Amino acid sequence: QVQLQESGPRLVKPSQTLSLSCTVSGGSVDSKSYFWTWIRQPAGKGLEWIGRIHGSGSTNYNPSLKSRVSISVDTSKNQFSLNLSSVTAADTAVYYCATQTYYSDSGHVFEIWGQGSVVAVSS
Amino acid sequence: QTVVIQEPSLTVSPGGTVTLTCASSTGEVTSDYYPNWFQQIPGQSPRVVIYSTNSKHSWTPARFSGSLLGGKAALTLSGVQPEDEAEYYCLIYYGGGWAFGGGTKLTVL
Repeated sequence: QVQLQESGPRLVKPSQTLSLSCTVSGGSVDSKSYFWTWIRQPAGKGLEWIGRIHGSGSTNYNPSLKSRVSISVDTSKNQFSLNLSSVTAADTAVYYCATQTYYSDSGHVFEIWGQGSVVAVSS
Repeated sequence: QTVVIQEPSLTVSPGGTVTLTCASSTGEVTSDYYPNWFQQIPGQSPRVVIYSTNSKHSWTPARFSGSLLGGKAALTLSGVQPEDEAEYYCLIYYGGGWAFGGGTKLTVL
């Protein structure tokens, strides 16, 4: 069973780049079975889909964040990562990594989530 | 950009039935949008309860069901239990990616 664990700095200064990693256990990050996904949630607010990377390396990003976001895979560490540049206080949130899986008989499901990583943007 | 609309809040009595809906600013929600529904209890990560319109995960209680209703995705809870009190989010696919609704706070009272 795949498990996910986020890691990275909890505090980032405005205008800098937020970098988080998600370590995959129980599976391989280059598996074609998954889209490796990042989602965030500001305190007291709703969820926002940030973007995803497939095991093949293809990516898709939220249009509202596309100019600042990059998601990549590190097969040597069995991790996938999020980089969000030019951050502001509005980027303060809990950041979740998750899997999106496609089952041919039942469609797409977001079934595995990390526990979330709190990141604050402040000077 | 796609905007996904949910009821901000709903209240239901224990044992009752409630339907939450999920609409898209681009028009009718169909099965091609693969609607997913998540339950989030404060302090916890979201957990999927329904995916691809009406598929249940292994951990989804039988009282949860998903459907398409009047051009929207719908999540129905029948025989609501106190532990169903939570925030519920829908998530739909729009071709370029995915978009969450704003969430529905379900109160069991």
